[in-house]
Amino acid sequence: DSGVTQTPKHLITATGQRVTLRCSPRSGDLSVYWYQQSLDQGLQFLIHYYNGEERAKGNILERFSAQQFPDLHSELNLSSLELGDSALYFCASSVEGSVGNTIYFGEGSWLTVV
Amino acid sequence: GENVEQHPSTLSVQEGDSAVIKCTYSDSASNYFPWYKQELGKGPQLIIDIRSNVGEKKDQRIAVTLNKTAKHFSLHITETQPEDSAVYFCAASPQFGNQFYFGTGTSLTVIP
Repeated sequence: DSGVTQTPKHLITATGQRVTLRCSPRSGDLSVYWYQQSLDQGLQFLIHYYNGEERAKGNILERFSAQQFPDLHSELNLSSLELGDSALYFCASSVEGSVGNTIYFGEGSWLTVV
Repeated sequence: GENVEQHPSTLSVQEGDSAVIKCTYSDSASNYFPWYKQELGKGPQLIIDIRSNVGEKKDQRIAVTLNKTAKHFSLHITETQPEDSAVYFCAASPQFGNQFYFGTGTSLTVIP
């Protein structure tokens, strides 16, 4: 158990809908990262938050957004869902946001868009 | 940005044999290289990491080597066991931004 908690574990929704994925980082970790993992691609970095502020953006679509709250939990919002958004979404956390900090992954949220 | 390539994509070994997975990176400024193991239905778990000021690191049956000049690093698993079967990912972290770039993964099967 990495200490990173993600909910829900599984989610099935229809195209065009909006969902919110939630992540609680490890106790004491200030950084939260979101990754997308689909069958034909590896782990794609989406976005990084540090202590409530956006630090870096990766291949995140405009239909997707995220935030980190004062209690350090984070939410990833996915809207206008398409079939291609079906994937495993991981949250990871680390103590800081600086170079070389080990990141710890949660168990992921399986999103299926039908 | 950084580009990490990982080979092979699949690897089958007999129990007790060694397994080697190789990764190359493009950004010479990358200086942190973790390896993750992902079992079916679970999140990636860190198994070992190495920083650019070190050439090799060992932890029991697992070792990682880094060649900064050639920009490649490798994972070595000795005396493989069936529970080593999983997908392994390498990653590189550039000097700034703490953004991890992952390889495409290697599916390792250890045959009993």
